[in-house]
Amino acid sequence: AQSVAQPEDQVNVAEGNPLTVKCTYSVSGNPYLFWYVQYPNRGLQFLLKYITGDNLVKGSYGFEAEFNKSQTSFHLKKPSALVSDSALYFCAVRGSSGGSYIPTFGRGTSLIVHP
Amino acid sequence: KAGVTQTPRYLIKTRGQQVTLSCSPISGHRSVSWYQQTPGQGLQFLFEYFSETQRNKGNFPGRFSGRQFSNSRSEMNVSTLELGDSALYLCASMIAGGGTGELFFGEGSRLTVL
Repeated sequence: AQSVAQPEDQVNVAEGNPLTVKCTYSVSGNPYLFWYVQYPNRGLQFLLKYITGDNLVKGSYGFEAEFNKSQTSFHLKKPSALVSDSALYFCAVRGSSGGSYIPTFGRGTSLIVHP
Repeated sequence: KAGVTQTPRYLIKTRGQQVTLSCSPISGHRSVSWYQQTPGQGLQFLFEYFSETQRNKGNFPGRFSGRQFSNSRSEMNVSTLELGDSALYLCASMIAGGGTGELFFGEGSRLTVL
């Protein structure tokens, strides 16, 4: 079985400061990892993914994520937060071999960036 | 390229009624999956269709059903609505049957059951 944990329901950060949204996962074999963002009353939008290769993945809107195999983590980061980054962020995982093609999502982390 | 289109965007039903939601995937995407999103339960997987066949199913009662047409458009139906079915229903499409592809989500259909 595959699972995702987002340990923080909410993250607060001041505009201009770096932000981190945490994600840990459990999956058989090598993971495919994803981050999505959801703005109010909208669907989820894809931000970035890790499939293989470089552990630091760069995505949309200046976001990046670091894959750490030993810690089974895939934390989302941004060097300088914007108020417009305030949204709900979801981490997702699926295995790379066999099984379901459907990713498992975390419960989401609400990011609030204060002016 | 048009995105994933879901209709209707908002609807209000009463308990006991049924509802049908529609999803048109991105052109060329053959996999369509459905999710229920509520504040308390987060994002829960309902089912996935690929080439008109249900390939994966989540843990929902039989009142929740779906289908996919030959043009990859999908519908989901909820019968005998309950208050707890109030939620945002999200549809997502994927380019192929598996691979490494990310999901592309529609804006959702917000269902309110009174």
